[in-house]
Amino acid sequence: KAGVTQTPRYLIKTRGQQVTLSCSPISGHRSVSWYQQTPGQGLQFLFEYFSETQRNKGNFPGRFSGRQFSNSRSEMNVSTLELGDSALYLCASSKAAWQVLTNTGELFFGEGSRLTVL
Amino acid sequence: GESVGLHLPTLSVQEGDNSIINCAYSNSASDYFIWYKQESGKGPQFIIDIRSNMDKRQGQRVTVLLNKTVKHLSLQIAATQPGDSAVYFCAERIADYGQNFVFGPGTRLSVLP
Repeated sequence: KAGVTQTPRYLIKTRGQQVTLSCSPISGHRSVSWYQQTPGQGLQFLFEYFSETQRNKGNFPGRFSGRQFSNSRSEMNVSTLELGDSALYLCASSKAAWQVLTNTGELFFGEGSRLTVL
Repeated sequence: GESVGLHLPTLSVQEGDNSIINCAYSNSASDYFIWYKQESGKGPQFIIDIRSNMDKRQGQRVTVLLNKTVKHLSLQIAATQPGDSAVYFCAERIADYGQNFVFGPGTRLSVLP
């Protein structure tokens, strides 16, 4: 089956602009999480969506936002871009938002969207 | 694309030897742990997982050990191969409602011929 698909793979923006990244999860997966990966900070949790609702949010400013659609596809948006927002943005899907006892909770990652802010 | 930091811990092993990658996790309430492998330009790939009610789990060529007393996780790779060269991350799931994982800084594994 198809894996997690992220678009675009690469993009370049300038400071002050905004960007929207898209993620299509694995078919049947209802939980979508977003992570930011940078050389200095590593992999950091942004937020998680399940059934179009944000379940968890990491410690990022309000410029970072997201949403999930009824088909489980998700988008994240970063407004008023700063140089420090340059990163690899990874989307991950999983079968459910919880079920500690009944599922593995494994995250399936996409290849990421590499954002460069100039 | 790079997935590692300039000061990422590096482990170099000879091909055929066993590798042990260590990770200290932060939250004693974490209920579930995963090891991921990330190759250059790719997203992290699942290797093996373990729940907090276990202390050892084995997969194909890999074993994960969990020591909750000292909040330590390790990944053992048997008969390391060139294709194992990558950055390895441990991830802990904070035991709240949802899929909120905290990732370790990563370790770069280099397999020498």
